[in-house]
Amino acid sequence: AQSVSQHNHHVILSEAASLELGCNYSYGGTVNLFWYVQYPGQHLQLLLKYFSGDPLVKGIKGFEAEFIKSKFSFNLRKPSVQWSDTAEYFCAVRDSGYSTLTFGKGTMLLVSP
Amino acid sequence: GAGVSQTPSNKVTEKGKYVELRCDPISGHTALYWYRQSLGQGPEFLIYFQGTGAADDSGLPNDRFFAVRPEGSVSTLKIQRTERGDSAVYLCASSSTPSLDTQYFGPGTRLTVL
Repeated sequence: AQSVSQHNHHVILSEAASLELGCNYSYGGTVNLFWYVQYPGQHLQLLLKYFSGDPLVKGIKGFEAEFIKSKFSFNLRKPSVQWSDTAEYFCAVRDSGYSTLTFGKGTMLLVSP
Repeated sequence: GAGVSQTPSNKVTEKGKYVELRCDPISGHTALYWYRQSLGQGPEFLIYFQGTGAADDSGLPNDRFFAVRPEGSVSTLKIQRTERGDSAVYLCASSSTPSLDTQYFGPGTRLTVL
């Protein structure tokens, strides 16, 4: 069965620092990849997704992620974080042709002003 | 348009009681999913409906859990003889095309079993 690892459970950054959150999945083959974000008091929202094509995908609010198939990774990046990026970030994988998502445990990002 | 809605937002019950959690998906979405999120964990899949039928219920932890979607729209997750370990946030999501589209999540129902 597919599993997803997010390497950091908690990350604390100052505003304007660069961000990289790691995500690795276990099972090879064709996959769809997602990053969801949950802001305090809000529900899960899609940040970006990769289905096929250019492995560097851009999402909302200046976030991007790079799919590296050989490393089973889909790391999330942002060059300069803002206080409003404080949230919990979840990586999720869907095996192609299937419908359900497998999520990582999430990374709580705290950005100090 | 309106997003996925879930009611109630919070439910407190006593061990052994029966609870029902409701999900109203985005209009026109044929696929509906239930996930459960325990403290410190990511969402875990419970069951997936395509139309009125359960296409995959492999994530239901045991036979105390059951879900229905009788008219292909609203879904109800039912938990019998609740246990303290059932305490979690129950999330509902919907999508237009199951294996191709993005899943859109509701705000969740926080269930607390005392």
